[in-house]
Amino acid sequence: QQKVQQSPESLIVPEGGMASLNCTSSDRNVDYFWWYRQHSGKSPKMLMSIFSNGEKEEGRFTVHLNKASLHTSLHIRDSQPSDSALYLCAAAPSGGNYKPTFGKGTSLVVHP
Amino acid sequence: GALVYQYPRRTICKSGTSMRMECQAVGFQATSVAWYRQSPQKTFELIALSTVNSAIKYEQNFTQEKFPISHPNLSFSSMTVLNAYLEDRGLYLCGAREGRNERLFFGHGTKLSVL
Repeated sequence: QQKVQQSPESLIVPEGGMASLNCTSSDRNVDYFWWYRQHSGKSPKMLMSIFSNGEKEEGRFTVHLNKASLHTSLHIRDSQPSDSALYLCAAAPSGGNYKPTFGKGTSLVVHP
Repeated sequence: GALVYQYPRRTICKSGTSMRMECQAVGFQATSVAWYRQSPQKTFELIALSTVNSAIKYEQNFTQEKFPISHPNLSFSSMTVLNAYLEDRGLYLCGAREGRNERLFFGHGTKLSVL
């Protein structure tokens, strides 16, 4: 049973467009969410983390979190071809039950 | 800055042999290290979570007998894949957690190919 569900599995957006990715955890103990980007053949690099309700923005990237529904979303505005990658969502509870679990990822393609 | 070095970057081993990979946290104290395997289909599987001063916790389908892990201090962890076979192929990643905050840093990964 996959505890972290990501949608869509794949996404194609035009250059300059907005990409929206979703992630939901089924583990009620989750406190932390991370978003990672993995380019082909590379290891994942952390984009953003969020553990409070609300919104967090860094440059073209905005992350939302609703802790009640355990749902987070990543929005990329003004998407660039270099944003084409696998986007992974991870979640973990805090404290002694800490165990980061990843979703299967969303494959994003930004076409020129 | 905080970095995680993982080596080797890639390795090829014969079926039935073993290989060891290492993970070193630089610039921070890694209170826990998570070892993952990313299959060729890109699925992430947590192999085990190693926390300082606690026993190593292996996930279902992964055992200490197959993937022994050593985590002697706050900056170093190693994992061995014993008797590697085709189904063990993939990218093995270590993720080190900094202190008690939410940051998790990954090494470059060790790509394992099995002949």
